[in-house]
Amino acid sequence: DGGITQSPKYLFRKEGQNVTLSCEQNLNHDAMYWYRQDPGQGLRLIYYSQIVNDFQKGDIAEGYSVSREKKESFPLTVTSAQKNPTAFYLCAAGANTDTQYFGPGTRLTVL
Amino acid sequence: KQEVTQIPAALSVPEGENLVLNCSFTDSAIYNLQWFRQDPGKGLTSLLLIQSSQREQTSGRLNASLDKSSGRSTLYIAASQPGDSATYLCAVPYSNYQLIWGAGTKLIIKP
Repeated sequence: DGGITQSPKYLFRKEGQNVTLSCEQNLNHDAMYWYRQDPGQGLRLIYYSQIVNDFQKGDIAEGYSVSREKKESFPLTVTSAQKNPTAFYLCAAGANTDTQYFGPGTRLTVL
Repeated sequence: KQEVTQIPAALSVPEGENLVLNCSFTDSAIYNLQWFRQDPGKGLTSLLLIQSSQREQTSGRLNASLDKSSGRSTLYIAASQPGDSATYLCAVPYSNYQLIWGAGTKLIIKP
């Protein structure tokens, strides 16, 4: 079964806690992306990676960190510095903007 | 900076009707525009990509048009069905790896 997998589906964070969202792909795409989606807003780019061991900040990178040690994996850490992390997080992979395949998403809630 | 707007934010129509969803953009210097579908609590699926050199792109009951001079794209859905209920988002690229997104139109098809 090919595609993008994200885990967990639901995640709860306590104040001051770091949490990590997983994203794995078996599509063999070089580029991977993390987006944040809030109600009534378009998707906003957090980070993207064009190739292993390289990544760039998107529009809202503050309070987030990523790593890209393997082509298949692009985990996102939501740090305690992110003051309003409650949102739906989407991971995508693709050759470029013309071809982006999305995972099912992780809903993060701050307790 | 490019802005993408989708109006209305929500639309409810009876089953069987033909309908049009709108997407507006402020900078006409785009090289393509994409339409995506998002089911509740799920990831996004690409529906249609229309290149700047095209005026229309069709897939089944879906037809997307692009008018760069007026900064507008429409997604036409023929003979709507309850299974078409979802949020429809449009996006335009502003680099090889980054998209600017509309906030989406939530469509409800009433049986």
